[in-house]
Amino acid sequence: AQSVTQLGSHVSVSEGALVLLRCNYSSSVPPYLFWYVQYPNQGLQLLLKYTSAATLVKGINGFEAEFKKSETSFHLTKPSAHMSDAAEYFCAVSADKLIFGTGTRLQVFP
Amino acid sequence: GAGVSQSPSNKVTEKGKDVELRCDPISGHTALYWYRQSLGQGLEFLIYFQGNSAPDKSGLPSDRFSAERTGGSVSTLTIQRTQQEDSAVYLCASSLGTSGSSYEQYFGPGTRLTVT
Repeated sequence: AQSVTQLGSHVSVSEGALVLLRCNYSSSVPPYLFWYVQYPNQGLQLLLKYTSAATLVKGINGFEAEFKKSETSFHLTKPSAHMSDAAEYFCAVSADKLIFGTGTRLQVFP
Repeated sequence: GAGVSQSPSNKVTEKGKDVELRCDPISGHTALYWYRQSLGQGLEFLIYFQGNSAPDKSGLPSDRFSAERTGGSVSTLTIQRTQQEDSAVYLCASSLGTSGSSYEQYFGPGTRLTVT
């Protein structure tokens, strides 16, 4: 069975600070891993995905994530937060259907 | 190009009534998925269609829920005898395929269902 754990339901950072959102996965097969973002009252938008190519994956809006098999992690980072990054972020694992984590709400303070 | 569309965007229904939610996937996408997003349960997989294969119904919460996909395109999710716990946002997604780079799922805006 596959599962995803997102550590921290809420993360707050100052504008310009590093963003780090944590995701650990469990999978019996090589996983596909995804980060999605959901802005208020909007649908899910794909930020980035890992599909067994490069372990460091770059996504939209300056986000990136590193697949670490030894740590079963796929943490999302951004060097410098912007006010517009405030949203809910979901990590997901899949072999076919997506299994989502519980989400992390990112707040960015000026 | 057009993305995944869903209708209606909002639906309010009385407890016990049946509802139908519609999803139009991206043209050419062979895989279609339904998910549910609610406060208590987060994002849950419901059902998945891939081409002409039998759908994966493993996420449907009860036999009141069913879905079909006609002609390999449009899908309808039906909830019979709605209950208050069915209140949620129902999300549809589609993907070109189910492996490698074709696997990326594109989500629609969702249908917000409120059962009163």
